[in-house]
Amino acid sequence: DAGVIQSPRHEVTEMGQEVTLRCKPISGHNSLFWYRQTMMRGLELLIYFNNNVPIDDSGMPEDRFSAKMPNASFSTLKIQPSEPRDSAVYFCASTRGGNTEAFFGQGTRLTVV
Amino acid sequence: TQLLEQSPQFLSIQEGENLTVYCNSSSVFSSLQWYRQEPGEGPVLLVTVVTGGEVKKLKRLTFQFGDARKDSSLHITAAQTGDTGLYLCAAGGSNYQLIWGAGTKLIIKP
Repeated sequence: DAGVIQSPRHEVTEMGQEVTLRCKPISGHNSLFWYRQTMMRGLELLIYFNNNVPIDDSGMPEDRFSAKMPNASFSTLKIQPSEPRDSAVYFCASTRGGNTEAFFGQGTRLTVV
Repeated sequence: TQLLEQSPQFLSIQEGENLTVYCNSSSVFSSLQWYRQEPGEGPVLLVTVVTGGEVKKLKRLTFQFGDARKDSSLHITAAQTGDTGLYLCAAGGSNYQLIWGAGTKLIIKP
């Protein structure tokens, strides 16, 4: 298996622009998590899906952030409009069944200038 | 609120030395995981411990889960430069979510 695949690896955008991050979880995994990692705040859970349904989005910082999972093999995290304080590394992770052992993608490093 | 506190936050030692890092909480957890994250990569699972007092070994790494399942330690024997990275502990929260520690940044100098 190729593991969790995220794209793009790096994104540099101007403040106010829309940013879309993409994730393909491991086949057969039914839970998907979006995390944000910064030096100051560490790893923060933004939202997670179970069987394509959003279960907990309490970590989504603002209405500017939205996430979708239209099917079991694809999810997006969108920021519109982006702001410099959104600059961070965004990770997608997936787990299987009731197992909490998480498999992470390589992350998307977002820089908003 | 369930919290995981990791210590030390930062550790820099010479190759060949031994070290121990800690993950502590006031809460009881059913399981606890350790991950290592290298620069530019996502965290990678090293081990899961589930039983109080459990000890697991992964080559030079020894993981222990406290008897009360509130804390854990990671001991590295004869550290190598390849052990450099951010070590994160995580424990099962509600609804299959993980609660994460802030991590220990480990640098092994040649």
